[in-house]
Amino acid sequence: GENVEQHPSTLSVQEGDSAVIKCTYSDSASNYFPWYKQELGKGPQLIIDIRSNVGEKKDQRIAVTLNKTAKHFSLHITETQPEDSAVYFCAASEGGGTSYGKLTFGQGTILTVHP
Amino acid sequence: GAVVSQHPSRVICKSGTSVKIECRSLDFQATTMFWYRQFPKQSLMLMATSNEGSKATYEQGVEKDKFLINHASLTLSTLTVTSAHPEDSSFYICSADRATNEKLFFGSGTQLSVL
Repeated sequence: GENVEQHPSTLSVQEGDSAVIKCTYSDSASNYFPWYKQELGKGPQLIIDIRSNVGEKKDQRIAVTLNKTAKHFSLHITETQPEDSAVYFCAASEGGGTSYGKLTFGQGTILTVHP
Repeated sequence: GAVVSQHPSRVICKSGTSVKIECRSLDFQATTMFWYRQFPKQSLMLMATSNEGSKATYEQGVEKDKFLINHASLTLSTLTVTSAHPEDSSFYICSADRATNEKLFFGSGTQLSVL
């Protein structure tokens, strides 16, 4: 089955700096890669996703890059703000039909943005 | 984004009792919903796929007789933890596949504590 590795496990930055979280996956059949933000006691919130036919996607301060050959994808947050502090999870699935929901998650990254 | 509602948000029960958790897609129809479990400071693990009008499919190691899933309509799936024990204490999160744009949205989660 799929295995997703996520690094770092914790990340501390100053407000305004950039933050980068990296994930690798093992199953070459995976083609859907979402990123979720989870605050304490709440469900994960989808912040951005990318499919394997795209190498990069950007949404305001958030961007995701995908290298399918190397089987890794990264989340980039620019101009970080204290409210970006949360746990971030990467995930992967084969996509297509109902498989989008059968996600394998990374271990999570605790991001702390200091004012 | 799409809204997935989960209820209750928190439940405390005695060992041996059963607990039902509801998951609703509020603004879209979901033929497929997914149930995940998350232990403290850990990642999310897929438990089962809930299919409207048919039996749920369970991931390896998940007891289907203990975690009963019913998906009776296109907007509602329920998870019943039967004869709950302290080791079942966890954060249970549902998600729904919005097939129109193939994105997965999560509910707010249910914290189950079994005494």
